[in-house]
Amino acid sequence: ILNVEQSPQSLHVQEGDSTNFTCSFPSSNFYALHWYRWETAKSPEALFVMTLNGDEKKKGRISATLNTKEGYSYLYIKGSQPEDSATYLCALDPRRISSGSARQLTFGSGTQLTVLP
Amino acid sequence: ETGVTQTPRHLVMGMTNKKSLKCEQHLGHNAMYWYKQSAKKPLELMFVYSLEERVENNSVPSRFSPECPNSSHLFLHLHTLQPEDSALYLCASSQGQGAGWAKNIQYFGAGTRLSVL
Repeated sequence: ILNVEQSPQSLHVQEGDSTNFTCSFPSSNFYALHWYRWETAKSPEALFVMTLNGDEKKKGRISATLNTKEGYSYLYIKGSQPEDSATYLCALDPRRISSGSARQLTFGSGTQLTVLP
Repeated sequence: ETGVTQTPRHLVMGMTNKKSLKCEQHLGHNAMYWYKQSAKKPLELMFVYSLEERVENNSVPSRFSPECPNSSHLFLHLHTLQPEDSALYLCASSQGQGAGWAKNIQYFGAGTRLSVL
């Protein structure tokens, strides 16, 4: 059973603050690391998929880094806005031989971010 | 709009009822998934279909019965459920072949909130 850990579980920040949270995964079983953003009453949506050690992805004020050797990824939000309030999920796409053409992701429990105006 | 539609959005059923959840994707994907989200727990993969064949069944009780009649539609048939089955059920799809396969990005529906009384 793969263990994907996210911390903190929840976070409250003031508008304008920058923040970051962590996703940890077993480094021995890695193909790719996904980040998803899940707003209340909506669908989770993909933010980033990272595969290479040292990868850094950016989308507006949100960026992510990846360290496959030590098994962690950070998600950063610069200048948080109330619309950034959501649950941020990371998911591990493990190195395995999968039957068929579908590969399974193992998700963490998420970090619930609330940005206060 | 993610291109994955789930119905109904909310469902209340008794333990002796039979109901079905429906998922439809308009993305041309050939892999579809059912996930369960219980309170304070990670997304839990239930079933995976690839090219309309079930490729994974993660020890899900037989009171949950999936059906994938074609690559665009996925059902989850429910019968004699227990109160602990109350949860959010999410459907997702991904590109099993061709461009985008390597990233395995999952596209989610908004979910069905199920309450079993």
